[in-house]
Amino acid sequence: GQQVMQIPQYQHVQEGEDFTTYCNSSTTLSNIQWYKQRPGGHPVFLIQLVKSGEVKKQKRLTFQFGEAKKNSSLHITATQTTDVGTYFCAGPRVVTSYDKVIFGPGTSLSVIP
Amino acid sequence: DTGVSQDPRHKITKRGQNVTFRCDPISEHNRLYWYRQTLGQGPEFLTYFQNEAQLEKSRLLSDRFSAERPKGSFSTLEIQRTEQGDSAMYLCASSLEFGGYEQYFGPGTRLTVT
Repeated sequence: GQQVMQIPQYQHVQEGEDFTTYCNSSTTLSNIQWYKQRPGGHPVFLIQLVKSGEVKKQKRLTFQFGEAKKNSSLHITATQTTDVGTYFCAGPRVVTSYDKVIFGPGTSLSVIP
Repeated sequence: DTGVSQDPRHKITKRGQNVTFRCDPISEHNRLYWYRQTLGQGPEFLTYFQNEAQLEKSRLLSDRFSAERPKGSFSTLEIQRTEQGDSAMYLCASSLEFGGYEQYFGPGTRLTVT
């Protein structure tokens, strides 16, 4: 079955440092979604990428979708304490009416002030 | 309706008891998902609905778990004969079928089986 992996599992950074998490799928994805879960909270949708090679930015966050649509990355520039949380990637295999989204295990980010 | 709601938020039950959780999705969303999340893990897919039809159920899910969405609106998840291993956060999410697949999560129901 489809597997979605993320590395690293944990990342501790000093405030102001950059952070990157990588997502890899065993199958081609129709799109990739990124979610953030704060400690004690629930996952919150951040962004969706659809096109091969697509890059999107949200302020200090940069999201990329690989050319083969099997991998993605999230890069945060100059981390802040508000960036603390776990970042999940998720995606469906193909665009059909009956497909489900598979979540990766997440990367937990800690920011040291 | 501005978000997904779940009830109850917390449930403590004794092993062997049955529990039922409710999820109310965003009203115009026709897809509804149930996930289970344990500490330090990502949401684990349990099942999902498109309108009232249950389209897929995780193979990891035992027969003690059942979900319904009778009128294509709210959904219930029932766990029969609970076991300590069922202790987890149960998350519900909803999404549109077309125009984007982003899921909107509810606050979850935390189940503790003693």
